[in-house]
Amino acid sequence: GENVEQHPSTLSVQEGDSAVIKCTYSDSASNYFPWYKQELGKRPQLIIDIRSNVGEKKDQRIAVTLNKTAKHFSLHITETQPEDSAVYFCAASITSGGSNYKLTFGKGTLLTVNP
Amino acid sequence: DAMVIQNPRYQVTQFGKPVTLSCSQTLNHNVMYWYQQKSSQAPKLLFHYYDKDFNNEADTPDNFQSRRPNTSFCFLDIRSPGLGDAAMYLCATSRDRPGGGVEQYFGPGTRLTVT
Repeated sequence: GENVEQHPSTLSVQEGDSAVIKCTYSDSASNYFPWYKQELGKRPQLIIDIRSNVGEKKDQRIAVTLNKTAKHFSLHITETQPEDSAVYFCAASITSGGSNYKLTFGKGTLLTVNP
Repeated sequence: DAMVIQNPRYQVTQFGKPVTLSCSQTLNHNVMYWYQQKSSQAPKLLFHYYDKDFNNEADTPDNFQSRRPNTSFCFLDIRSPGLGDAAMYLCATSRDRPGGGVEQYFGPGTRLTVT
């Protein structure tokens, strides 16, 4: 089955700096890669996603890049703010649909943005 | 506007006493998922329904069962909770589409305590 590795497990940055979180996946058939943000005690919320036919996607201060050849994708947050502090999970989808559709999550990165 | 609703938000049960967690959705999504999330870990998929088709993960203990009586509702039954089953239980939904890769919407979760 699919395996998703996420690094680093913790990341501390100063407000205004950039943060980068990296993930690798094992199944070359994966075609959908979302990133979720989870604040303490709250639900995971999708912040950005990318599909295998796209190499990069940006939404304001957040961007995701995908390298299908190397099987890795990264989350980039620029101009970090204290409210960006949370756990971030990457995930990969191993199917093109049907009853097998599901996500495999990375172990998460605890991002702390220091004022 | 709540889209994925979970009840109760907090549940305390005794060791070995059956417990049922509920999830409802107003999104009319055809796929519903149950995840178990322990502290500082990624959500772990227990099973999911694609329409009425039940898909169990290979490592989900038999102690966990699920029911989906209609599109809107899904239940998680824990037949004999053990101390190791204390966790946050997250329900999620998605709408499948050709080519796969659609967002999963998470509910707020039910935090289960086993005494």
